Amino acid sequence: EPEVTQTPSHQVTQMGQEVILRCVPISNHLYFYWYRQILGQKVEFLVSFYNNEISEKSEIFDDQFSVERPDGSNFTLKIRSTKLEDSAMYFCAIPTGVDWGEQFFGPGTRLTVL
Amino acid sequence: SQQGEEDPQALSIQEGENATMNCSYKTSINNLQWYRQNSGRGLVHLILIRSNEREKHSGRLRVTLDTSKKSSSLLITASRAADTASYFCATGLSMKTSYDKVIFGPGTSLSVIP
Repeated sequence: EPEVTQTPSHQVTQMGQEVILRCVPISNHLYFYWYRQILGQKVEFLVSFYNNEISEKSEIFDDQFSVERPDGSNFTLKIRSTKLEDSAMYFCAIPTGVDWGEQFFGPGTRLTVL
Repeated sequence: SQQGEEDPQALSIQEGENATMNCSYKTSINNLQWYRQNSGRGLVHLILIRSNEREKHSGRLRVTLDTSKKSSSLLITASRAADTASYFCATGLSMKTSYDKVIFGPGTSLSVIP
């Protein structure tokens, strides 16, 4: 089974600050996804990233968000100027399973914007 | 509009009983998946059923899919207190590739009382 780690596990930041969330798949993957889950709500798709390019993004993923693969292994989600409503759990996921249809989720980063 | 919706929103049963959760969706799908989330934790993939399958089993889990009704059910037999969690259905929509985001429903909160 694949493994995905995310750092930090919890990030507290002031409104307007930039945050960078990191995702590290243990094995080398070209395809990954970011999702978020506001407390008590459902999981929402943010963006998919394939081979160093954004493959698809949702309406949530506005200009405040960006994704990168800065060093060939880590995947990062950057929020440039955080807002209170950005407080949520952020999950990265990689495709897995027989035909890559399953999504293996990392443990998540809890972002709290004050 | 929501792609997936689970019912009931909350379910409370005694240990040893069976738990049934339902999921309805709106558009054609490639596959439907069920995930589990313990409070404040990450998402664990339980089972994937493809659009050309009608029923699938994994341990104490049984999933059915009725594409004509655009609905799925998750049955957990002989429930245990450790099954207490939120359960989400998620649909994979792409007909071209299995590499695709999944769209989550709002989830069912299951409580198993010892």
